[in-house]
Amino acid sequence: AQSVTQLDSHVSVSEGTPVLLRCNYSSSYSPSLFWYVQHPNKGLQLLLKYTSAATLVKGINGFEAEFKKSETSFHLTKPSAHMSDAAEYFCVVSLNFGNEKLTFGTGTRLTIIP
Amino acid sequence: DTGVSQDPRHKITKRGQNVTFRCDPISEHNRLYWYRQTLGQGPEFLTYFQNEAQLEKSRLLSDRFSAERPKGSFSTLEIQRTEQGDSAMYLCASSPGGAGPVYQPQHFGDGTRLSIL
Repeated sequence: AQSVTQLDSHVSVSEGTPVLLRCNYSSSYSPSLFWYVQHPNKGLQLLLKYTSAATLVKGINGFEAEFKKSETSFHLTKPSAHMSDAAEYFCVVSLNFGNEKLTFGTGTRLTIIP
Repeated sequence: DTGVSQDPRHKITKRGQNVTFRCDPISEHNRLYWYRQTLGQGPEFLTYFQNEAQLEKSRLLSDRFSAERPKGSFSTLEIQRTEQGDSAMYLCASSPGGAGPVYQPQHFGDGTRLSIL
């Protein structure tokens, strides 16, 4: 079985400062890991993915994440927060390169302070 | 690419009534997934189809829930005898399908929000 734990339910940062959203995973097999973003009353949008290639993955809108097997972590970062980044972020794990069901974390709400 | 379409966007019903939701996937996508998201939680997997075949069902999918994809295109999710605990956002996703090693992203619709009175 696989699971993810998002360590912070809510993160607040000032506009222009770095963003760090933390995620730890658990998987019996080589996992595929993702970050999705959800704006209010909208569906989910894929930010980035790790599927056993490069451990540092770049996504859309300036977001990055680093897969660290020794720490079982997949933290999401962005150098400079923008007001439009305010949303709910989900860390997600799957098997088979993501071509199966997705298992979501409980989410981190990101608030940007003007 | 018109995206994944879900209908209705909102449904309000009384406890005990039956409801049915529809999902139209991106055309030519073989896989279709249903997830449920309750307030303050991440989405939870319910079931998925490869073409018209239902390949996996979660334990969350009680006997009151049934999903179909009769012609391998659109899908319906029916909840019979609704209960207060069924109030949630029901999300549909589709993907081209495949068994790897190439990643096939799941594209999500905007969901159907169900409220049980």
